Amino acid sequence: QVQLQESGPGLVKPSQTLSLTCTVSGASVSSGTYYWSWVRQHPGKGLEWIGYVHYGGNTYSNPSLKSRVTISVDTSKNQFSLRLTSVTAADTAVYYCVAWDGYWGQGSLVTVTS
Amino acid sequence: QSALTQAASVSGSPGQSITISCTGTSSDVGAYKYVSWYQQHPGKAPQLMIYEVSDRPSGVSNRFSGSKSGNTASLTISGLQAEDEADYYCSSYTSSSTYVFGTGTKVTVL
Repeated sequence: QVQLQESGPGLVKPSQTLSLTCTVSGASVSSGTYYWSWVRQHPGKGLEWIGYVHYGGNTYSNPSLKSRVTISVDTSKNQFSLRLTSVTAADTAVYYCVAWDGYWGQGSLVTVTS
Repeated sequence: QSALTQAASVSGSPGQSITISCTGTSSDVGAYKYVSWYQQHPGKAPQLMIYEVSDRPSGVSNRFSGSKSGNTASLTISGLQAEDEADYYCSSYTSSSTYVFGTGTKVTVL
């Protein structure tokens, strides 16, 4: 059974960088089985796909976020990470890490506030 | 990329069947078999219910089924139960090698 757990600050100041890490168990991030992905959900709203990294290192991200998003993999720790730069209040959301297409983390609420 | 279009809400009585539609374009839903459906209960993470248009992950009830015709994918829930009351989202792979979600449908069991 694949399990994912998000970790990172719950509060980020405007203009700073949001950083989240997803720790994976039950699967290897260096395998090609899954696309290691991030999804977010604004309060009371729908799901928004952020992007993914594949084992070969290829990354793809939502065009609306592309210039601010970096997704990377740390095979030594079996983790993958999200960095979102220049955040604003509009980036306040629950962030999910996902072993696409199958397993989701429980979600991590990140609030952007001064 | 634009979100896939779903009805905001669908309702049905226990035991009935309901169908949720997800309309995209020839660059996403219409082009690939990589259409998935997710169920989300309030305060919980989404759960994969259908992948690759019509396949069910292990453990998902066979009351859930998926199909696709042209640019529109559909999720059917048969024998509707109270526990099926939740939000449902579709997703699709796109020609840009990205994914896009649907706008979401709230299912109410009357």
